[in-house]
Amino acid sequence: DTAVSQTPKYLVTQMGNDKSIKCEQNLGHDTMYWYKQDSKKFLKIMFSYNNKELIINETVPNRFSPKSPDKAHLNLHINSLELGDSAVYFCASSRWGGMNTEAFFGQGTRLTVV
Amino acid sequence: QKEVEQNSGPLSVPEGAIASLNCTYSDRGSQSFFWYRQYSGKSPELIMSIYSNGDKEDGRFTAQLNKASQYVSLLIRDSQPSDSATYLCAVMWGGADGLTFGKGTHLIIQP
Repeated sequence: DTAVSQTPKYLVTQMGNDKSIKCEQNLGHDTMYWYKQDSKKFLKIMFSYNNKELIINETVPNRFSPKSPDKAHLNLHINSLELGDSAVYFCASSRWGGMNTEAFFGQGTRLTVV
Repeated sequence: QKEVEQNSGPLSVPEGAIASLNCTYSDRGSQSFFWYRQYSGKSPELIMSIYSNGDKEDGRFTAQLNKASQYVSLLIRDSQPSDSATYLCAVMWGGADGLTFGKGTHLIIQP
């Protein structure tokens, strides 16, 4: 039973298109995140959501928009895709604050923009 | 700026030896510290978490934290070829700040 699952695993699309990546967690966590891993394998946070409210919005283009229908789901919508958006996107979840804030990751979505 | 620094390697260790991975972080306000293992093409997998100064052991893995020196390390005893991967040090500064990752150390265990 997968703890954090995201779909699709692979996404190939043309420049200018709009796409979405879905994420679901069954760990009962109240905080979810989107991370981007670039071609140099550097993993960087994009967004986090706590109880359906955006907590962090790093310097990410506003073409990227996270949407959370409930605390178990955090989807990522990307408008007007650019070549530089090609990367692996990971969803993760954790508890909020204090101890035991370990984050668990989904299997990743490899986005290729052509 | 909150930063996490790791030696990118590769770090080559003979099978059966102890692998020692190191990490420093920039902000004394850091509260939570983690080591993740990532195999090529896979997602990061949590190996260890540590929240207070000292050592924490789990099987062949020992995490060490020294907040005064802003230093975290991971020791892998009896290294196995299956331990060959990239090890990511991650720091959380509290709340829902999310994790700040180092760039990872590529570990190679030589049979």
